[in-house]
Amino acid sequence: AQKVTQAQTEISVVEKEDVTLDCVYETRDTTYYLFWYKQPPSGELVFLIRRNSFDEQNEISGRYSWNFQKSTSSFNFTITASQVVDSAVYFCALSGRNYGGSQGNLIFGKGTKLSVKP
Amino acid sequence: DTEVTQTPKHLVMGMTNKKSLKCEQHMGHRAMYWYKQKAKKPPELMFVYSYEKLSINESVPSRFSPECPNSSLLNLHLHALQPEDSALYLCASSQALGAYGYTFGSGTRLTVV
Repeated sequence: AQKVTQAQTEISVVEKEDVTLDCVYETRDTTYYLFWYKQPPSGELVFLIRRNSFDEQNEISGRYSWNFQKSTSSFNFTITASQVVDSAVYFCALSGRNYGGSQGNLIFGKGTKLSVKP
Repeated sequence: DTEVTQTPKHLVMGMTNKKSLKCEQHMGHRAMYWYKQKAKKPPELMFVYSYEKLSINESVPSRFSPECPNSSLLNLHLHALQPEDSALYLCASSQALGAYGYTFGSGTRLTVV
């Protein structure tokens, strides 16, 4: 079975606080990719990061950082010094199989709604 | 051009109407997808089109019909929809099937009245 769990439904922080969004995944594939997407109220899904299963190095991009731990099947996302513009729904996703049985599907978690207040 | 373009952005249609959603990409991607997203839910895959092969989520009703005129275009034909079909419809593309990055369009907000 392939599954992504984002246990935090909603998080509210005050601007400049650090916030971590949790993501836990399940898959039997030995090679897979993990993604984070941001969805602002306008609706489009904005790609943030893709990480393959063989690369456990943490990554930092500006105020964003990601912690991938295969041992705990987690791929957590931290925003440092949050800003109001970070307010959005954040989805963690796992590459998976489509209905034809081949690769070609993104399996999304339920999303975490982040509200950053001024 | 690194975009996936979806038209229209908003659509209101009656249950007896026939309409089409359009999706276009010029990144040379060989796989295209339709996702449906209900309010406060994650996107769910409806169809995948890659190398002239269509893969279907069998839970999708036949009133949704995909069409791929060429490798850059993926349309979604709508007929006799129900109010519960109201949702955000997202198109995406990737270089190929597999774990490549997915580029999403901005979506079409569909309301069925």
